[in-house]
Amino acid sequence: GAGVSQSPSNKVTEKGKDVELRCDPISGHTALYWYRQRLGQGLEFLIYFQGNSAPDKSGLPSDRFSAERTGESVSTLTIQRTQQEDSAVYLCASSLGTSSGNTIYFGEGSWLTVV
Amino acid sequence: AQSVTQPDIHITVSEGASLELRCNYSYGATPYLFWYVQSPGQGLQLLLKYFSGDTLVQGIKGFEAEFKRSQSSFNLRKPSVHWSDAAEYFCAVRSSNYQLIWGAGTKLIIKP
Repeated sequence: GAGVSQSPSNKVTEKGKDVELRCDPISGHTALYWYRQRLGQGLEFLIYFQGNSAPDKSGLPSDRFSAERTGESVSTLTIQRTQQEDSAVYLCASSLGTSSGNTIYFGEGSWLTVV
Repeated sequence: AQSVTQPDIHITVSEGASLELRCNYSYGATPYLFWYVQSPGQGLQLLLKYFSGDTLVQGIKGFEAEFKRSQSSFNLRKPSVHWSDAAEYFCAVRSSNYQLIWGAGTKLIIKP
């Protein structure tokens, strides 16, 4: 597609339920990133995929968070047993590669509210 | 450790006035620096980036930023702001493992 697409754009879920967030990167982009932005705060890195390499999961806040990516296409971020502190905007981004000239393009985010 | 600091959480300027948003970074090597803007309900949009060469970089929407190595700064400027510039602005530096390290953001409020 023309840009990074994320779904759902908004999700309200009950505490303790699992949620799955989807990201469609720009076609041909090998690098894919997930970030979290809590209300009034900056961006937190969560996870990074690059081609077929093992993902960098160093930013995942707990074992309730996991992410997968199918080849160089769609990625899903899963949050199990959601907690109220998981409420945030989850942003996905992609880039052609990781060299300095590659711009990172962001989706519009998935706004998650845990009640 | 690598870090980005945006010391101003909020900035209020009058429409038509000049703007400068501050960004300081801590990074051992030559930094790759970015400014992104996030408008309400929208995703992040790249305003400009610095990799090398001319330390004054021009971006979209009339923004520019100047890289000053001696001050570890990459401040964003605009000579005359418009009401549509009201948004949150993020400075970022690319780390050695290709991730972006983000500042906490500066919210720009435009007074009519």
